[in-house]
Amino acid sequence: GESVGLHLPTLSVQEGDNSIINCAYSNSASDYFIWYKQESGKGPQFIIDIRSNMDKRQGQRVTVLLNKTVKHLSLQIAATQPGDSAVYFCAEREYGNKLVFGAGTILRVKS
Amino acid sequence: DTAVSQTPKYLVTQMGNDKSIKCEQNLGHDTMYWYKQDSKKFLKIMFSYNNKELIINETVPNRFSPKSPDKAHLNLHINSLELGDSAVYFCASSQDTRDKTQYFGPGTRLLVL
Repeated sequence: GESVGLHLPTLSVQEGDNSIINCAYSNSASDYFIWYKQESGKGPQFIIDIRSNMDKRQGQRVTVLLNKTVKHLSLQIAATQPGDSAVYFCAEREYGNKLVFGAGTILRVKS
Repeated sequence: DTAVSQTPKYLVTQMGNDKSIKCEQNLGHDTMYWYKQDSKKFLKIMFSYNNKELIINETVPNRFSPKSPDKAHLNLHINSLELGDSAVYFCASSQDTRDKTQYFGPGTRLLVL
């Protein structure tokens, strides 16, 4: 598959389990942090974002946690499904609406 | 209806050639972007235009020249292609420069031989 040869961190989970994908960011001045999902052969797709003055935000089956003390962001996916298999990127927003992306994590869901 | 579209989807060319990639969005957005994704999946912004004006220009070789004929279109012209230009190029758009939600196109896979 497309992940062959990539050296991104990989998270393998069983279908139905919860997934937690982690990200470290660098710029304390970023005002928003955003998670994107990229399926094989497609462009990144917005999942959820969180403003820098919040520490938790929930969406449908997803939760984002922000820890500004240690500059850490996580994405929790409840009841992971095969369709969740993708590469997940965190991004921080800087001046001019510039998104700075992290390295990405491969999520593999086993049925 | 495709929100952000790019052509071509695949582009294979020889070193030294000049090529263009086109992007169109039908979302009525004011701001458009070009990103480059390398073989390690690292995604990095190259340019951003707002209402046809350049607002972000990262440290990109001047062989790359974006052009925005109107706010729905942002094209990318690359001169004297090099092997290192091989990558997937993504176009994106957002409502304006304050809207953090960017919508990405399907990508153009460029291979320079």
